[in-house]
Amino acid sequence: AQKVTQAQTEISVVEKEDVTLDCVYETRDTTYYLFWYKQPPSGELVFLIRRNSFDEQNEISGRYSWNFQKSTSSFNFTITASQVVDSAVYFCALSEPPGSARQLTFGSGTQLTVLP
Amino acid sequence: DADVTQTPRNRITKTGKRIMLECSQTKGHDRMYWYRQDPGLGLRLIYYSFDVKDINKGEISDGYSVSRQAQAKFSLSLESAIPNQTALYFCATSDSPSLGELLYEQYFGPGTRLTVT
Repeated sequence: AQKVTQAQTEISVVEKEDVTLDCVYETRDTTYYLFWYKQPPSGELVFLIRRNSFDEQNEISGRYSWNFQKSTSSFNFTITASQVVDSAVYFCALSEPPGSARQLTFGSGTQLTVLP
Repeated sequence: DADVTQTPRNRITKTGKRIMLECSQTKGHDRMYWYRQDPGLGLRLIYYSFDVKDINKGEISDGYSVSRQAQAKFSLSLESAIPNQTALYFCATSDSPSLGELLYEQYFGPGTRLTVT
């Protein structure tokens, strides 16, 4: 069965610190997709990134970067020079095989608090 | 204007009442989804629809029904609400994958906070 583990339930950092959110996944599929979503205190879910299993290149988008390593089944997310507005719950998600009743398996989320 | 809208945003209802949550999207996506989010349980899929004539049960469909009235509209109904259906409900949409792709990212609405007393 597919599984996504976000072992860090809560992280607290001071503004301008770098922070890495861990995501470890389990799947038997050879083709799959990984996602990160942000849920700020206002409650909506915001899509951040989609990565397919054949593309192991790291990606950087402004202060955000993602490190995908198939060898360790991890897809970690780093925020550089964190800001108070980064405070949110962050979810990692893994695609399910076609026809699945889930479509996506979500991790339990990491609550990030950035203190001023 | 938001690409995915949900109405109502908040609703308090009594046990046994029928309630409908509505979702509309202007993204032009074929695929639409309904999730619920509960503390400690994360997001769970209730129903999904790949086009107007294709509706599928998700992980936790018992107690719920859906209607896909048009490409842009997907409503979720609780025929007889019960307290353990108190949750945050999200509608989401995604584009149909092109050849060689399995799926694309989902875009979520703002959520509906439902309380069943």
